Amino acid sequence: QQQVKQSPQSLIVQKGGISIINCAYENTAFDYFPWYQQFPGKGPALLIAIRPDVSEKKEGRFTISFNKSAKQFSLHIMDSQPGDSATYFCAASPSGSRLTFGEGTQLTVNP
Amino acid sequence: KAGVTQTPRYLIKTRGQQVTLSCSPISGHRSVSWYQQTPGQGLQFLFEYFSETQRNKGNFPGRFSGRQFSNSRSEMNVSTLELGDSALYLCASSLAVVNEQFFGPGTRLTVL
Repeated sequence: QQQVKQSPQSLIVQKGGISIINCAYENTAFDYFPWYQQFPGKGPALLIAIRPDVSEKKEGRFTISFNKSAKQFSLHIMDSQPGDSATYFCAASPSGSRLTFGEGTQLTVNP
Repeated sequence: KAGVTQTPRYLIKTRGQQVTLSCSPISGHRSVSWYQQTPGQGLQFLFEYFSETQRNKGNFPGRFSGRQFSNSRSEMNVSTLELGDSALYLCASSLAVVNEQFFGPGTRLTVL
């Protein structure tokens, strides 16, 4: 019940396109859903996060969509750039502590 | 503001040895969490500390332990190292337990 399922495992997008990564969770105690971006040799960097009282949150080119009834949330990267090429992790937790991570999505944005 | 720092960045040990990793959180942050990242298991929660107290512990054997000091700096220790302990060990800090977590660059541990 602690799992977070993430898809796809890898994604290739053309520059300027939209990248969409999906996650699903089971534990209804989760109430905090962040997304992290990780470049090789670096630690994960917090991109954007959402709590279940809103269905969408946008920060620049990054948008989280949240569907509480379906227990699903997704990350949309608009106008994807080659510099966005990285591994993206969704995560979930009860109140911000002990994050449970998805398996990760390796995003490649071709120029 | 300086980010989370972890030392050492790279470490090579042999089976059976023990290792201590260090984490200095962002100034003012009082909560520190540790995670293990491997290609096979992904990112897994190890433990979380707040005000020198362990608040949560993940599903890892007792060989993995940690502590937090009064200045919020934290250490984790792995005893009797096994080959499967080879991983990137990440430390994350937050203002308090319920806030956003910010990760350090990690310590790459290789067990031979």
